[in-house]
Amino acid sequence: AQKVTQAQTEISVVEKEDVTLDCVYETRDTTYYLFWYKQPPSGELVFLIRRNSFDEQNEISGRYSWNFQKSTSSFNFTITASQVVDSAVYFCALSEKAAGNKLTFGGGTRVLVKP
Amino acid sequence: DAGITQSPRHKVTETGTPVTLRCHQTENHRYMYWYRQDPGHGLRLIHYSYGVKDTDKGEVSDGYSVSRSKTEDFLLTLESATSSQTSVYFCAIRASTGSSYEQYFGPGTRLTVT
Repeated sequence: AQKVTQAQTEISVVEKEDVTLDCVYETRDTTYYLFWYKQPPSGELVFLIRRNSFDEQNEISGRYSWNFQKSTSSFNFTITASQVVDSAVYFCALSEKAAGNKLTFGGGTRVLVKP
Repeated sequence: DAGITQSPRHKVTETGTPVTLRCHQTENHRYMYWYRQDPGHGLRLIHYSYGVKDTDKGEVSDGYSVSRSKTEDFLLTLESATSSQTSVYFCAIRASTGSSYEQYFGPGTRLTVT
């Protein structure tokens, strides 16, 4: 069975600090996909990024970057120079190709960026 | 914007009453999903559909049923609502992106069972 663990329940930082969110996953499938979603206080779920199991290239998009390491089953997310608008709950999720691409979510990490 | 709407957006109902939540999409996606979100649990899959009249159970399906008679609509029914079903319910669609897939979510329905 697939499982996603986000050990950090809440992180508080001061604006302009960097913040890294940890995500560890478990899967038996060889083909799977990893995701990060953002849920701001308004409640909607915003898709941020998808990574395929066969593509370990890390990515930077603006102030966001992702570190995918199959060897440690981790898919960490970093916000550089955080801003107040980054305050939200961030979810890591996993889907297995063999399981109909159903998403399994971690419990979420609440990020609070203080001015 | 993946063209997903949910109705109602908010609902308060009493224990034992039936409730139906609707998810509507405008982009002809084959796969649709219902999740519930509760504090400390993230989102958990209730049911999903892989085509008209084709549905399957998810992790927390007890007490829920679904129907999909048209591609664009996926209905979630609580036959007899209980207080444990107080939650925020999200619908999602699966969109193809080359050889991969991504899920996009509707705005959510906040359901309170008193």
